[in-house]
Amino acid sequence: EAQVTQNPRYLITVTGKKLTVTCSQNMNHEYMSWYRQDPGLGLRQIYYSMNVEVTDKGDVPEGYKVSRKEKRNFPLILESPSPNQTSLYFCASSLLLARTDTQYFGPGTRLTVL
Amino acid sequence: AQSVTQLGSHVSVSEGALVLLRCNYSSSVPPYLFWYVQYPNQGLQLLLKYTSAATLVKGINGFEAEFKKSETSFHLTKPSAHMSDAAEYFCAVRSSMGSQGNLIFGKGTKLSVKP
Repeated sequence: EAQVTQNPRYLITVTGKKLTVTCSQNMNHEYMSWYRQDPGLGLRQIYYSMNVEVTDKGDVPEGYKVSRKEKRNFPLILESPSPNQTSLYFCASSLLLARTDTQYFGPGTRLTVL
Repeated sequence: AQSVTQLGSHVSVSEGALVLLRCNYSSSVPPYLFWYVQYPNQGLQLLLKYTSAATLVKGINGFEAEFKKSETSFHLTKPSAHMSDAAEYFCAVRSSMGSQGNLIFGKGTKLSVKP
């Protein structure tokens, strides 16, 4: 089954404790992206990657890091989480053949930083 | 820069009534537009997309949207609401700047369906 998976689905942590949220897709997609969703703000892009070893900042990259060492994986790293990073996070992937290509989303990771 | 505006953060309809969720876009180039749905505690799922092939686009679950260039709109409609349609709906436009992959989302409209 074609899918985007994220782990963990729920995470409660404390300020300053480094964490990684994993994202994996099995569709051989070149493009992957991380979004955060906050009430009243919709989805905002954090980072994206157009292929292995190619990453770039989205609209709200501060406090986040990413890496793309393999095509299927795109982990999101919070080196020193803060309470304002409490949010719902989504990973997404798509082909890059055309701008009409559908972006597929993972189930989300709900992060709480105390 | 491209953007989308969704009018109304909450819309409530009765079961069987027309659903109309509004989306206006801003784009200096022909846009590619998408509607996504998010059911409670789930990820986003594509409802439909406009790819310039036809102005009236039919999607899943009986939804459709019409692209109107003169009004810069891409409103989502469904003739008869069902309880299972209760969800949050997001309109999005594909960025023409830099990465071809970036989606720019509206802030979402939460649809409630009353029995």
